[in-house]
Amino acid sequence: KNEVEQSPQNLTAQEGEFITINCSYSVGISALHWLQQHPGGGIVSLFMLSSGKKKHGRLIATINIQEKHSSLHITASHPRDSAVYICAVRYGQNFVFGPGTRLSVLP
Amino acid sequence: EAGVVQSPRYKIIEKKQPVAFWCNPISGHNTLYWYLQNLGQGPELLIRYENEEAVDDSQLPKDRFSAERLKGVDSTLKIQPAELGDSAVYLCASSLAGGITDTQYFGPGTRLTVL
Repeated sequence: KNEVEQSPQNLTAQEGEFITINCSYSVGISALHWLQQHPGGGIVSLFMLSSGKKKHGRLIATINIQEKHSSLHITASHPRDSAVYICAVRYGQNFVFGPGTRLSVLP
Repeated sequence: EAGVVQSPRYKIIEKKQPVAFWCNPISGHNTLYWYLQNLGQGPELLIRYENEEAVDDSQLPKDRFSAERLKGVDSTLKIQPAELGDSAVYLCASSLAGGITDTQYFGPGTRLTVL
């Protein structure tokens, strides 16, 4: 079974700070997803990665297949970025989610 | 375009009672997922459908949980009888084809409280 870990578990930042959330997994994967979940809301897919790096607005996601590690970066953070960020990995037909990182961005 | 629809959004029942959740996926999406999410944890897969076929139900507690997707479109997840530990958010998601790079679209979830 693929074990997916995220760090930190909770993160509080001031508006404008650069934020990094990390994800590591134990078994080789075919794809990794970063998801965002707002309180009381649904889950939104941010990125799907199988290699390298992707950028969308202020969000950047990277993956190192050899290290079995991915990071999600948020530049110039804003209070509306406050949410739970979840890393999910796909290997074979299996889909495993990490526990999530709860981010609070203070004004 | 409408997203994944789930109902009800909230449900409170007493233990040993039955409960059912309904999901309507995005139109044209062949793959449908049911997940359970406990507080402070990531979602855990319960069952995955490709059209009307349940292709992965290995994590579904079959003694009390059942699911169906009779016409390959909307789906129902049932718990009978419910236990206190079943209190959680039940998420439904759909994707176009279930491929390894497919994006899943999640519904808002049903928050179940078992008293």
